[in-house]
Amino acid sequence: DADVTQTPRNRITKTGKRIMLECSQTKGHDRMYWYRQDPGLGLRLIYYSFDVKDINKGEISDGYSVSRQAQAKFSLSLESAIPNQTALYFCATSPGQQETQYFGPGTRLLVL
Amino acid sequence: QKEVEQDPGPLSVPEGAIVSLNCTYSNSAFQYFMWYRQYSRKGPELLMYTYSSGNKEDGRFTAQVDKSSKYISLFIRDSQPSDSATYLCAMRAGGGNKLTFGTGTQLKVEL
Repeated sequence: DADVTQTPRNRITKTGKRIMLECSQTKGHDRMYWYRQDPGLGLRLIYYSFDVKDINKGEISDGYSVSRQAQAKFSLSLESAIPNQTALYFCATSPGQQETQYFGPGTRLLVL
Repeated sequence: QKEVEQDPGPLSVPEGAIVSLNCTYSNSAFQYFMWYRQYSRKGPELLMYTYSSGNKEDGRFTAQVDKSSKYISLFIRDSQPSDSATYLCAMRAGGGNKLTFGTGTQLKVEL
C-alpha cells in the first residue's frame, strides 16, 4: 500500500462549490504539507502543519483552508471554488525539519 | 525574478546518452538541495538529497552543487527510456521549513 494517499484522484466541480481534498499517511511523519502544481509555475506551498495543533499558511493560502484531524490525516478545503484553482494538488509528509518531503500521487482538480 | 530557475525543456536525448539537468538560484541561504523525479500523472519522488557544496553519486545519478555559483546539476549516465520524466530541483535554507522548487525540466529518452 502507498505510504501517502490522496482522495479523490480526480475531481470536476463548479464555481462556487465547496470541495475537500483528503490526505492520509502511514509513514508516521509529524509534518504534512499541501501544494498545488501549475504548468510553468512549479510546486507552490498552500499550507503546512508540524503537528495536530500547528497549522501554518504557505505562499498561496488565500481561498483555501486546512484541517489536521490526526497525525495521519490532513485535509484541504476550497470554500468556494473558482476556475483559477484548477490545478494538480499534492500532499506531502516529512519526519522533521532536516528531512526531505515525500509526496502523494496527487489530485487533479478542474473547476468549471 | 524567481528564486529558483530551471529550463523547462523538453530535452530529448538518445538512449545511452549522458544527461545534464541544471538549476540556478538566487538565495544564498539555501543549504539543502534535492532532485525529484515526476512521472506523468504521479507525485514527485525523491532522487537525490545533498547538503552544501560537492558531489553525491547514487548509481547512474550524480548530483553536484556549486554554492559559489549558485548552480546545481543532476547528471544521468547511460540514460534509459524509463528515465523519461520531469525532473524538479528543490532547495531549502538551513533553518527553514519551506522547500522552494524549480518549475521542472521535461526529459525524454528515446530508443
